[in-house]
Amino acid sequence: AQSVAQPEDQVNVAEGNPLTVKCTYSVSGNPYLFWYVQYPNRGLQFLLKYITGDNLVKGSYGFEAEFNKSQTSFHLKKPSALVSDSALYFCAVRANNDMRFGAGTRLTVKP
Amino acid sequence: DTAVSQTPKYLVTQMGNDKSIKCEQNLGHDTMYWYKQDSKKFLKIMFSYNNKELIINETVPNRFSPKSPDKAHLNLHINSLELGDSAVYFCASSHSTTDTQYFGPGTRLTVL
Repeated sequence: AQSVAQPEDQVNVAEGNPLTVKCTYSVSGNPYLFWYVQYPNRGLQFLLKYITGDNLVKGSYGFEAEFNKSQTSFHLKKPSALVSDSALYFCAVRANNDMRFGAGTRLTVKP
Repeated sequence: DTAVSQTPKYLVTQMGNDKSIKCEQNLGHDTMYWYKQDSKKFLKIMFSYNNKELIINETVPNRFSPKSPDKAHLNLHINSLELGDSAVYFCASSHSTTDTQYFGPGTRLTVL
């Protein structure tokens, strides 16, 4: 069975600093990997995905993620954080017709 | 021109009642999903429908039944509501079973 782990419940960064939200996965077969963001009282919004090709994927709002097959990771990154990036971030993996979400990481960007 | 819409946004009801949540998408997608997000924000897939056929059915109680009258709609019917059913339920849709999912705004269900 596949699984997704987001090892950090909470990530705090200062505005303007780079941010990383971690995600590792376990699947049998080739994974499709996703990042979603959830703002308070809202549904999930798609940020980016990895299907195949370049390991570095660029997405919405300046976010990017790097697929690392050997480490089975798909960490979300942004070079310079904004206060408005503060939200709940979910990593997800789809394989074998099954979709799994991580437990979520709450990102807080302080001015 | 909302892409994925759900009604109602809030639903407060008594234990033992039967209720439905409706979902509609105007994206032309052929796959729709229902998720449950608990109070700790953990997100769990409940069902998905592809071309009116159930393709994923997680181990949810059979009190929950998805109904899809057409490709654009996937409604969730819940019988004999229990306190533990209180959560936010999200509908989502995608172009295929492997494509990006687009989520609705959620329905906050509170069972008293």
